Amino acid sequence: DTAVSQTPKYLVTQMGNDKSIKCEQNLGHDTMYWYKQDSKKFLKIMFSYNNKELIINETVPNRFSPKSPDKAHLNLHINSLELGDSAVYFCASSQRQGAMVAFFGQGTRLTVV
Amino acid sequence: AQSVTQLDSQVPVFEEAPVELRCNYSSSVSVYLFWYVQYPNQGLQLLLKYLSGSTLVKGINGFEAEFNKSQTSFHLRKPSVHISDTAEYFCAVRTYNQGGKLIFGQGTELSVKP
Repeated sequence: DTAVSQTPKYLVTQMGNDKSIKCEQNLGHDTMYWYKQDSKKFLKIMFSYNNKELIINETVPNRFSPKSPDKAHLNLHINSLELGDSAVYFCASSQRQGAMVAFFGQGTRLTVV
Repeated sequence: AQSVTQLDSQVPVFEEAPVELRCNYSSSVSVYLFWYVQYPNQGLQLLLKYLSGSTLVKGINGFEAEFNKSQTSFHLRKPSVHISDTAEYFCAVRTYNQGGKLIFGQGTELSVKP
């Protein structure tokens, strides 16, 4: 059983499209995150939710909108995709907001053409 | 604000040689320190963490790291590497009160050659 699973694993789309990436964790954790890894492999947090409540929103364009229907899911919707959005997006979860260990998903490689 | 610097972007070594991957951090408050490993086309896996206590921490796959507060460093070491250790290694920090977010270094690509 995969602890943190993301779908799809690969996503190729054209500029201007809208796409979603889904994330689910079966660990019973309260807190979930989205991280972006750019072409130079640099990882940066985008969002964090704790019990469906947004707690971290880094300086991310408004085109990115996270949605947490329940605490086991944190989806990422991206409007009007741009070339610069091409990256690997990682979902992660931790037991609670102050927990020390985060578990990561396998990543979604988004390519905008 | 916190920052993490991994001093080497690439480290090539031969199999069974020792290796050290260097990590320095900057923070005005106490931090917790982590090393994550990313194998090709996979997610991040926690190698080890320093929260408090003994400054020498041991992790999975024979890796260990030493927290040095005076030098603000958290270098990762392994006495003898295997081909299977070839991966990208990330050092990360977090503070207690920032919602759990991790701040990552730029990564070090460890390449183990036969």
